Amino acid sequence: KNQVEQSPQSLIILEGKNCTLQCNYTVSPFSNLRWYKQDTGRGPVSLTIMTFSENTKSNGRYTATLDADTKQSSLHITASQLSDSASYICVVSDRGSTLGRLYFGRGTQLTVWP
Amino acid sequence: EADIYQTPRYLVIGTGKKITLECSQTMGHDKMYWYQQDPGMELHLIHYSYGVNSTEKGDLSSESTVSRIRTEHFPLTLESARPSHTSQYLCASSDWVSGSDTGELFFGEGSRLTVL
Repeated sequence: KNQVEQSPQSLIILEGKNCTLQCNYTVSPFSNLRWYKQDTGRGPVSLTIMTFSENTKSNGRYTATLDADTKQSSLHITASQLSDSASYICVVSDRGSTLGRLYFGRGTQLTVWP
Repeated sequence: EADIYQTPRYLVIGTGKKITLECSQTMGHDKMYWYQQDPGMELHLIHYSYGVNSTEKGDLSSESTVSRIRTEHFPLTLESARPSHTSQYLCASSDWVSGSDTGELFFGEGSRLTVL
């Protein structure tokens, strides 16, 4: 069964600190992996998208890594800011259907305290 | 900046009422989707469309219906709302092409529906 598991479920850090969020998946055949940021009451916004051949991709203070062999990805946030408080969602797409089916994780709820 | 819009953002209605959630995008995308999201849970696909006059049900059983008469417009309708329909509804569109490993997925801001 294709699944996406994220950890931790929630995380509290102090402003200025770094943190790493994890995503493990069993989706096969793999097409791409995306990280989204979702502020409370808003729609998800794309941070990064990585295909099979990409190991790392950065977007400002956000750096995503992908290990397609172990089917793991991480999202590293550097020098956190209060505005980073949000849910971070890992989304994996398969290649095996015309739908380009997406599998969503439940998200990691990050809270940044001053 | 994604050009996809949902209205209303918030809606509180009584049981048995008919409601329509509007979704419009100005990016010319053929593919559009409706997702349902409950707190702490993953997004579930309830409807999708690959173009005008093309609509399909998604993974999650839903009593809602959709239509796609114009490329830019993908409304979702509930004929008779019930408290179990209380949820966040997210509309999305994509420029993904079959066989491609890329393609972006853009979300609207969501419609929060509460049925009393």
